[in-house]
Amino acid sequence: EAQVTQNPRYLITVTGKKLTVTCSQNMNHEYMSWYRQDPGLGLRQIYYSMNVEVTDKGDVPEGYKVSRKEKRNFPLILESPSPNQTSLYFCASKRGGSGNTIYFGEGSWLTVV
Amino acid sequence: AQSVTQLGSHVSVSEGALVLLRCNYSSSVPPYLFWYVQYPNQGLQLLLKYTTGATLVKGINGFEAEFKKSETSFHLTKPSAHMSDAAEYFCAVAVTTDKLIFGTGTRLQVFP
Repeated sequence: EAQVTQNPRYLITVTGKKLTVTCSQNMNHEYMSWYRQDPGLGLRQIYYSMNVEVTDKGDVPEGYKVSRKEKRNFPLILESPSPNQTSLYFCASKRGGSGNTIYFGEGSWLTVV
Repeated sequence: AQSVTQLGSHVSVSEGALVLLRCNYSSSVPPYLFWYVQYPNQGLQLLLKYTTGATLVKGINGFEAEFKKSETSFHLTKPSAHMSDAAEYFCAVAVTTDKLIFGTGTRLQVFP
């Protein structure tokens, strides 16, 4: 089954404690991306990757890091989380090309206290 | 700059009534347009998309949308709402390989 899998699905953490949200896709997609969803703001892109070892900033990259060492994995790293990073996070992937469908993971609820 | 505007953050309809969710976009080049649906506690699922060709696009669950270039619109419709249609709906536009811009979403409520 074609899937984008993210973990953890739910996490409560404290300010400053580094955390990683993993993302893996089994569709051999070149493109992967992270979004955050906040009420009234829709989805905003954090980082994206066009292929292995190629990453770039989205609209709201501050406070986040990513890496793309393998085609299937695209982890999101919060080096020093702050309360304003409390949000619902989605990983997504697609084949290269503007018209191709983006497939989303089920989301990760992150609360920073 | 490209943008997407969804008119109405909340829409309420009765079961069996017409569903109309509005989306307007801004783009200097021909866009690719998408509608996604998000059910509670789930990720986003593609409803339908317009790339090229026929401007009336049919999607899953009886939804359809029409691309109107002159009005820069891509409104989503369904002739008869069902309780299971209650969800949040997002319109999105893609203008480059790396960028999908989302609207702020419309929450659809369906009353019996």
